[in-house]
Amino acid sequence: EVQLVESGGGLVQPGRSLRLSCAASGFTFDDYAMHWVRQAPGKGLDWVSSINWNSGAIGYADSVKGRFTISRDSAKNSLYLQMDSLRAEDTALYYCGKDQAMGGHGSIDLWGRGTLVTVSS
Amino acid sequence: QSALTQPASVSGSPGQSITISCTGTSSDVGYYDLVSWYQQHPNKAPKLMIYEGSKRPSGVSNRFSGSKSGNTASLTISGLQAEDEADYYCCSYAGSRTVLFGGGTKLTVL
Repeated sequence: EVQLVESGGGLVQPGRSLRLSCAASGFTFDDYAMHWVRQAPGKGLDWVSSINWNSGAIGYADSVKGRFTISRDSAKNSLYLQMDSLRAEDTALYYCGKDQAMGGHGSIDLWGRGTLVTVSS
Repeated sequence: QSALTQPASVSGSPGQSITISCTGTSSDVGYYDLVSWYQQHPNKAPKLMIYEGSKRPSGVSNRFSGSKSGNTASLTISGLQAEDEADYYCCSYAGSRTVLFGGGTKLTVL
């Protein structure tokens, strides 16, 4: 089955770290760019980061640059998001998404169900 | 990185057509033919409806169409149906490996 399954979310205190994972199956993971997109409760979609097929091109939203790190492991068909120095405004449902292409220009044709991150003391 | 601008809400009756606009700048929507549109029903993951401005993924109804003029992209839904009621988001590549989403538009089918 073609799917993405996120994990690693939870309740974390401000300033602490969390690592999200996304397990991909049913397609050739190495052929596509991948994205993280978040959605705060009751709010709209917010692009966080993307990584192209071979990790040679990576982008971040200004709001997370310097705090979050995206990576991928082809041997494990997995995408990751290391989140450091977390803030209350990072509270959101975090979606993993597969781009239609290797480059990753924002056409996300497969989404996971999301993992909830809550930053609160 | 500023979000793309969408109307907060639009509405239409069954069978009618509606259009949702998405305004960016000459650095994103106006520069790249890389606008996509997503449909999101409550408590569900988004679904890709249009990519590269006007292309439909397999399985998406031809009632959905996309276009662009200058810095503004548009999504048109014709023959409105009750199941089209959802939130719609535009998205554009913005260069330097960055992507922007619009604020979202709530479509109500009257």
